[in-house]
Amino acid sequence: AQTVTQSQPEMSVQEAETVTLSCTYDTSESDYYLFWYKQPPSRQMILVIRQEAYKQQNATENRFSVNFQKAAKSFSLKISDSQLGDAAMYFCAYRSGSQGGSEKLVFGKGTKLTVNP
Amino acid sequence: EPEVTQTPSHQVTQMGQEVILRCVPISNHLYFYWYRQILGQKVEFLVSFYNNEISEKSEIFDDQFSVERPDGSNFTLKIRSTKLEDSAMYFCASSEEGTDTQYFGPGTRLTVL
Repeated sequence: AQTVTQSQPEMSVQEAETVTLSCTYDTSESDYYLFWYKQPPSRQMILVIRQEAYKQQNATENRFSVNFQKAAKSFSLKISDSQLGDAAMYFCAYRSGSQGGSEKLVFGKGTKLTVNP
Repeated sequence: EPEVTQTPSHQVTQMGQEVILRCVPISNHLYFYWYRQILGQKVEFLVSFYNNEISEKSEIFDDQFSVERPDGSNFTLKIRSTKLEDSAMYFCASSEEGTDTQYFGPGTRLTVL
């Protein structure tokens, strides 16, 4: 079974600075997708960014980018120019990409990000 | 921008009662999911639903749970006899056919007393 590990329960960053959240995963599949979701205090799950495992290029969405290291099974999220609104729980998630494979998302335990003014 | 909606936002019930949580997925999406998040813990998959039937379910999704798409827009999760440990945030999600990204609703906070 696939597992997702987020080793940093909490992180903090100064406003306008850069922070990196770590995520590692374990799978025997070669085709899969990885996601970062943000959960602010309202507890809504908001998609931040996605990465397709077969793509070597790291995904980028405005101030959010990932460092995807397939061989190391690592998928970190970098937030540049941090803003107060970035404060939230961040969840890393895995989804199989295999034909006929599971569609479920497997989540890590989350990292609570605090942004200090 | 289309979004997944869920009602109610908060449900309080007595242990042993039945509850129905409602979701309206994004209109052109064909895959539907329920997830659960107990306070302070990670999000856990419950069930996926496609073409009017369950396509996958987790160990959590036992006989106390059921899902239904009663009409063309709603997707419901029923818990027949709630237990204290069912207290959690329940998220509905949907995805388009042929895509991998799931979009989540705002969640329903279920409190079982």
